[in-house]
Amino acid sequence: AQSVAQPEDQVNVAEGNPLTVKCTYSVSGNPYLFWYVQYPNRGLQFLLKYITGDNLVKGSYGFEAEFNKSQTSFHLKKPSALVSDSALYFCAVKRMDTGRRALTFGSGTRLQVQP
Amino acid sequence: GAGVSQSPSNKVTEKGKDVELRCDPISGHTALYWYRQSLGQGLEFLIYFQGNSAPDKSGLPSDRFSAERTGGSVSTLTIQRTQQEDSAVYLCASSLVGGTSYNEQFFGPGTRLTVL
Repeated sequence: AQSVAQPEDQVNVAEGNPLTVKCTYSVSGNPYLFWYVQYPNRGLQFLLKYITGDNLVKGSYGFEAEFNKSQTSFHLKKPSALVSDSALYFCAVKRMDTGRRALTFGSGTRLQVQP
Repeated sequence: GAGVSQSPSNKVTEKGKDVELRCDPISGHTALYWYRQSLGQGLEFLIYFQGNSAPDKSGLPSDRFSAERTGGSVSTLTIQRTQQEDSAVYLCASSLVGGTSYNEQFFGPGTRLTVL
């Protein structure tokens, strides 16, 4: 079985400050890890993914995420938050070594960036 | 280019009625997925298509749910005898599959289903 935990339902940060949205995963074997963002009344948009290689992955809109195998974490980060970053963020995992293609999602974290 | 499209965007139905939800994937994407997003349940996987076949149906919650895909393109998710607990946003996604499983999935805007 595989699972994803996003321990914070909501994260509040002031515009211009760094932000972190936490994600931990549980999977047997090596994972593929993803971050998606959902704006109101919109579908999910892909932000970034970790496959292999460098633990720091850079994605869209200035976001990055750090894969930490020992802590089984894949936290999403951005050095300077924008009000327009306010949205619902989902972490997702997929096992590397099976043919199962479906993503397992976390429960989502609402990011609120205050002006 | 065109993304994943879904129709209708909203569907209100009465308990016991059947509904059909449609998904048009990105052209050239051979993999297609259905997910359900509901309050309290988060995002749940329903079914995965590779071409016209469905090697993974493990997420379908009951035999009232079925899906098909024709021509390796459009997919229809059918819910028979709808129940109030079927109310949710149904999301479709597609991806390239080239012997790997790490290609990102591209999501449509979803169909919001309300069962009265």
